Amino acid sequence: DIQMTQSPSTLSASVGDRITITCRASETISNWLAWYQQKPGEAPNLLMSKASNLESGVPSRFSGSGSGTEFTLTVSSLQPDDFATYYCQQYKSYPWTFGQGTKVEIK
Amino acid sequence: QMQLQESGPGLVKPSQTLSLTCNVSGGSFSSGNYYWSWIRQPAGKGLEWIGRIYFTGSTNYNPSLKSRVTISVDPSKKQFSLNLNSVTADDTAVYYCAAGRGGGWFDPWGQGTLVTVSS
Repeated sequence: DIQMTQSPSTLSASVGDRITITCRASETISNWLAWYQQKPGEAPNLLMSKASNLESGVPSRFSGSGSGTEFTLTVSSLQPDDFATYYCQQYKSYPWTFGQGTKVEIK
Repeated sequence: QMQLQESGPGLVKPSQTLSLTCNVSGGSFSSGNYYWSWIRQPAGKGLEWIGRIYFTGSTNYNPSLKSRVTISVDPSKKQFSLNLNSVTADDTAVYYCAAGRGGGWFDPWGQGTLVTVSS
């Protein structure tokens, strides 16, 4: 299985901050990576696919980059609605696997 | 707009079979543009992909659960189902159904249903 490791596990930040979450794959996955946002009690919501393709309706303050084994999710100016847990997911090969999550909390 | 909704028992006894159904509304179930997945999340933990099925019935399963999992599909009802047998407390989780698109991302998801394994 391809292991996905996110860092940090928890991130404390303030409204307006720029934050970056890193996701590392245990082997190369090209750009077969998706990012999700999950709020408490809700299902995950797709933010982007193919590492950097923003889903329709997702604010442009979210961006993704990377290829191979290292990827980043950046929020350029954190908004109150962005405090949530973020997951990366590889779909290069079965079984599809997720990172352990990064919780973005209010500082 | 496509919506997914899980249904099934919220409590299952150890060693029995967990059975859930996902109803899909809106969108085209058998267009070939989607495949249908189950994903679970134990309380306070991360996400685990269980498996997927295409409208033709073709399946892929997570090897960690493959011996206990069956996913089936009924295109006429726009439904797909999950059976997980010989459950233990470790199978207690919120179970999500999701539509898979493109190479393997999930969108949209159902709201999730909590299944507790307990006697």
